[in-house]
Amino acid sequence: NAGVTQTPKFQVLKTGQSMTLQCAQDMNHNSMYWYRQDPGMGLRLIYYSASEGTTDKGEVPNGYNVSRLNKREFSLRLESAAPSQTSVYFCASSAGPDGSEAQHFGDGTRLSIL
Amino acid sequence: DQQVKQNSPSLSVQEGRISILNCDYTNSMFDYFLWYKKYPAEGPTFLISISSIKDKNEDGRFTVFLNKSAKHLSLHIVPSQPGDSAVYFCAANSGGSNYKLTFGKGTLLTVNP
Repeated sequence: NAGVTQTPKFQVLKTGQSMTLQCAQDMNHNSMYWYRQDPGMGLRLIYYSASEGTTDKGEVPNGYNVSRLNKREFSLRLESAAPSQTSVYFCASSAGPDGSEAQHFGDGTRLSIL
Repeated sequence: DQQVKQNSPSLSVQEGRISILNCDYTNSMFDYFLWYKKYPAEGPTFLISISSIKDKNEDGRFTVFLNKSAKHLSLHIVPSQPGDSAVYFCAANSGGSNYKLTFGKGTLLTVNP
């Protein structure tokens, strides 16, 4: 079972470059999420998609854009990368937006911006 | 303002003993609480959850206790095993919506053989 797959696993960018992080889930989940985790911090929500065709801002959306390409795929784009965006990015999905539904996470993309 | 707090960055216990991980919250609107476990270089994995209408939920070796009046929850692992060594995140949401999931900073549990 693949679950939630993120690509790439590692990436190094220069300041000002753009990049898209890819995420796909094979659990037929309706809701998908993008988080970032910084050292010594919990996960913080960047953007989410409650269902196909909808996206909304989370706690830390500045500098990012997202696309819910279809039910399976949810991508995160950095238009002009900044060193402050160096982080580990996690994609997650859940059956629905209901709070009792557990979120299932991918293994993360480790992004360094020089 | 940190709404979910895990005040112990790390915890070390002996194999076979009980591990108790603590979590405090400040937002009285939180109505669902979850624990996730995370190994290095992997994503968090859902472990156990509890609704605010309950005070205890048990799943095998894992039990979560909720004290709403104290705004405190704890995760008990009995008996602890070396494979339980990981970072444990406490998370909470409100309004019945998953997108309002707020995480604590995590506690690194080390179970020594």
